[in-house]
Amino acid sequence: DTEVTQTPKHLVMGMTNKKSLKCEQHMGHRAMYWYKQKAKKPPELMFVYSYEKLSINESVPSRFSPECPNSSLLNLHLHALQPEDSALYLCASSQGRVTDTQYFGPGTRLTVL
Amino acid sequence: GENVEQHPSTLSVQEGDSAVIKCTYSDSASNYFPWYKQELGKGPQLIIDIRSNVGEKKDQRIAVTLNKTAKHFSLHITETQPEDSAVYFCAAISSGSARQLTFGSGTQLTVLP
Repeated sequence: DTEVTQTPKHLVMGMTNKKSLKCEQHMGHRAMYWYKQKAKKPPELMFVYSYEKLSINESVPSRFSPECPNSSLLNLHLHALQPEDSALYLCASSQGRVTDTQYFGPGTRLTVL
Repeated sequence: GENVEQHPSTLSVQEGDSAVIKCTYSDSASNYFPWYKQELGKGPQLIIDIRSNVGEKKDQRIAVTLNKTAKHFSLHITETQPEDSAVYFCAAISSGSARQLTFGSGTQLTVLP
């Protein structure tokens, strides 16, 4: 089973709202990732958690706050977003080494009004 | 850091014909090269990958070749079918300082029935 699940599938929020995106995997993977993807562009790395510790933060604005409660779960907390933050947010996981295969979830389509 | 260039950006082929997508990379320390297929509204799905210790890998109608000297790798799809229509991304991971998945810009493949 190589499934990564993400909820919700779609999210519409105002600029003053607080919301969270959730990601889950049960493959025993120890690295989890958040990517942002704009239309017709490749995914852009936002955050990497390795063994439940934040190992990479690609200079992402503080209105995005990641959290890794345990090795199977990854959250992305959203607050005071801007319309330009509208995008597909993808979660991925891998076994743990940087050269291990990354498996992506279906994404959450976020629209900020 | 790593830079991955992908060509062509769009590719149309007749059903049953072959499709070839090419990528070049810049970091000679890169040693893992996955290919992802992304259908509309879905997350990227790994379709094949190759590591730097082999020159070619095949899985049914899909093959990937790697030329480490020239720093390029290619995806070959034979006997294309309409369900192969999607955006394809190549990627590279370096074991050097970058240590993250770097994507190419993507190829929109359309298979005409």
